[in-house]
Amino acid sequence: SQQGEEDPQALSIQEGENATMNCSYKTSINNLQWYRQNSGRGLVHLILIRSNEREKHSGRLRVTLDTSKKSSSLLITASRAADTASYFCATDALTGGGADGLTFGKGTHLIIQP
Amino acid sequence: GAGVSQSPSNKVTEKGKDVELRCDPISGHTALYWYRQRLGQGLEFLIYFQGNSAPDKSGLPSDRFSAERTGESVSTLTIQRTQQEDSAVYLCASSFSPLRGSTDTQYFGPGTRLTVL
Repeated sequence: SQQGEEDPQALSIQEGENATMNCSYKTSINNLQWYRQNSGRGLVHLILIRSNEREKHSGRLRVTLDTSKKSSSLLITASRAADTASYFCATDALTGGGADGLTFGKGTHLIIQP
Repeated sequence: GAGVSQSPSNKVTEKGKDVELRCDPISGHTALYWYRQRLGQGLEFLIYFQGNSAPDKSGLPSDRFSAERTGESVSTLTIQRTQQEDSAVYLCASSFSPLRGSTDTQYFGPGTRLTVL
């Protein structure tokens, strides 16, 4: 079953603007990860935030995690055309012991208009 | 260093035929994962290997699916008597061994796009 739910499903913005995507999940987690996927093929890991962390930065990416609301957000600042892709959040369930794999949402399709 | 590789990149087969998908993980990664992604959907977890062992095979969609790993390296996912609903991209990922019950960053291969006619 898919635990993560990204919101919105699709987002189109102008180049240079900031893009914000949200993710909600249902069970307790060890960590939450964000991935990018271009053209429906391989996923690229963007950032991992652990359950005891509230915010993390990596370049133009900023991720927040609110475990009380079971939600996370991914902010991409100063967007570029190359950021056009699908973005997925994935959760590592607390009870999984690492062996259940990650549970992915359906993704947000981001389009950056030049 | 090489990333995760998968072969073939594309596979078209007829309903009822068997297919074998291959994954070469990053050297030194003891954990290996298989996922399936249907068109426009997120990833669906299928199976996890720690070394050559798969502790839990309940994520496999049916008994037509099987997977093995040898030498703590290459893994194959086999689908017997393929059905049209098996059409999807099959993605493999590898990582260092889960630490303290937590999944580490997973590195994904480019996937195999399977089309069952």
